[in-house]
Amino acid sequence: SAVISQKPSRDICQRGTSLTIQCQVDSQVTMMFWYRQQPGQSLTLIATANQGSEATYESGFVIDKFPISRPNLTFSTLTVSNMSPEDSSIYLCSVGSGPKETQYFGPGTRLLVL
Amino acid sequence: ELKVEQNPLFLSMQEGKNYTIYCNYSTTSDRLYWYRQDPGKSLESLFVLLSNGAVKQEGRLMASLDTKARLSTLHITAAVHDLSATYFCAVDVRGARGKLTFGQGTILTVHP
Repeated sequence: SAVISQKPSRDICQRGTSLTIQCQVDSQVTMMFWYRQQPGQSLTLIATANQGSEATYESGFVIDKFPISRPNLTFSTLTVSNMSPEDSSIYLCSVGSGPKETQYFGPGTRLLVL
Repeated sequence: ELKVEQNPLFLSMQEGKNYTIYCNYSTTSDRLYWYRQDPGKSLESLFVLLSNGAVKQEGRLMASLDTKARLSTLHITAAVHDLSATYFCAVDVRGARGKLTFGQGTILTVHP
């Protein structure tokens, strides 16, 4: 299985500011995925990060709000820009690993926007 | 648009009892995932079901997949308190591997 780490694990931010979340994987992967889990809710896919190309965003998510970088095959960042309290969520990265391409999730970044 | 629905959303069980969580999805898929999430934690992968008729078992949990009915079940046998958690099913489709659509989650509470 893949070992995924995320930084920071949690943060409290003021509205209007931006936070960059890092995701590191212990093996090279083609695609990395970013999800959001709002309080008490399920998970929603934000975007897919491919190395060497622009991230692809799901409906309802835009690059200006959630810019993503993917500089190499083991690392990605997600920035939450111009934050508002509605951005308070857990943000998780995910990768596929193993012969069955099981999707594994990082520990998550718990964001509270005041 | 792919939709995934779980039921029940809340499940309160007594220890030792059996129950089943259902996961329906709206489009053709040959891959279904079950995850467990403890409060304040990330998702733990339980099962990946890869074909019609697939059945996987781990301890007191057994998952099955019927792709024709677009239905997966997660059966809990002789529940114990340690199984209390939120359980999610998720689906992706061929050509979009890893792009998971999740069900709403089932909050399971097992009482003594």
